[in-house]
Amino acid sequence: AQSVAQPEDQVNVAEGNPLTVKCTYSVSGNPYLFWYVQYPNRGLQFLLKYITGDNLVKGSYGFEAEFNKSQTSFHLKKPSALVSDSALYFCAVRAPGGSYIPTFGRGTSLIVHP
Amino acid sequence: SQTIHQWPATLVQPVGSPLSLECTVEGTSNPNLYWYRQAAGRGLQLLFYSVGIGQISSEVPQNLSASRPQDRQFILSSKKLLLSDSGFYLCAWDRASNTGELFFGEGSRLTVL
Repeated sequence: AQSVAQPEDQVNVAEGNPLTVKCTYSVSGNPYLFWYVQYPNRGLQFLLKYITGDNLVKGSYGFEAEFNKSQTSFHLKKPSALVSDSALYFCAVRAPGGSYIPTFGRGTSLIVHP
Repeated sequence: SQTIHQWPATLVQPVGSPLSLECTVEGTSNPNLYWYRQAAGRGLQLLFYSVGIGQISSEVPQNLSASRPQDRQFILSSKKLLLSDSGFYLCAWDRASNTGELFFGEGSRLTVL
């Protein structure tokens, strides 16, 4: 069975500082990994994905994520946080060849302080 | 380009009343369709998914049901709402290849009183 863990319910960071939102996964075979962002009372928006290739993936709004196979992690990063980045972030995994249903983490609330 | 529409955006219903939430996708064909519920602004609970017309899989036993009468239409229903049905309902789709990201609607906020 596939699973995703987001160990932090909330991450606080000052504007202008780098941010990291953590995600680890468990899946048989090579994973497809995704990050989504959700603003209040809105649907989820896709940020970036890792399918294959370069371990560092760049996405929307200046976000990037690094796939680390040995640590089974896919942490979301941004070099300089903005107040407008404050939102709920979800990591998700799907396993090619297995259940195609994506599995989502519980979400991490990112709060960027001015 | 593809778009997903979900309505109504907000709904306040009394306990025991029926429910119908509708979702339509434009600009693609044969999508996989999903209904999720999000309680208290946190984790997503998969309720139903569909790989084709009339093909519905239920993930969680409950008093909700789903139907897919047309290729790009997905409907979430209930005959009698419970207080516990309150939440934020999200429709999503992805391509039949099952390798990509999901595209979400803007959600429907249901309050059962």
